[in-house]
Amino acid sequence: QVHLVESGGGVVQPGESLRLSCAASGFTFTSYGMNWVRQAPGKGLEWVAFVSYDRINKYYAESVKGRFTISRDNSKNTLYLQMNSLRAEDTAVYYCANGGEVVVTRIDSWGQGTLVTVSS
Amino acid sequence: QSALTQPASVSGSPGQSITISCTGTSSDVGGYNYVSWYQQHPGKAPKLMIYEVSDRPSGISNRFSGSKSGNTASLTISGLQAEDDGDYYCSSYTSTSTLVFGTGTKVTVL
Repeated sequence: QVHLVESGGGVVQPGESLRLSCAASGFTFTSYGMNWVRQAPGKGLEWVAFVSYDRINKYYAESVKGRFTISRDNSKNTLYLQMNSLRAEDTAVYYCANGGEVVVTRIDSWGQGTLVTVSS
Repeated sequence: QSALTQPASVSGSPGQSITISCTGTSSDVGGYNYVSWYQQHPGKAPKLMIYEVSDRPSGISNRFSGSKSGNTASLTISGLQAEDDGDYYCSSYTSTSTLVFGTGTKVTVL
């Protein structure tokens, strides 16, 4: 049974940084690409970033390119999202999700999400 | 990358069938057979219902089916049940190796 547990969310001011983590279990972490997907309050889903199973390929949504960095530690079965220069429009629930191998073609399983609030 | 276009809401009575459309471009929906559909209940994480246009993950009811024609994909829910109430999103792989979601459709079982 896939288990994805996000942590690191919270309230920050515009321009500040935050690092999200996602602990994965119940599947072979090193065989799956991993993603971050976010959902602003009352809004739809927005794919944010993907890292391939072997850490070689990384892709980002245009809205976060240059500000966010996705990474993974396959020895710890953990996914990360470093978020810099945060803006009010980055306020959302951030979901960790597995899906894809070298590119993301779908999202298979999702965590329960962690809320990030960017506000002064 | 613009979000795929879905109707804001669709409704139906128990037992009926409904269809949700998902319209993109030749750079996403029309160019690849990598369209997926997700169900989301309030306050919960989304759940994969259909992948690669028409395949169902293990455990998903065969009341859910998917198809695609040109730049538009569709999800059909037959034999509508109260538990099908919720939000539905499509997604597609894109020509820039990213994933794009649809705008979302609220399904109401009357």
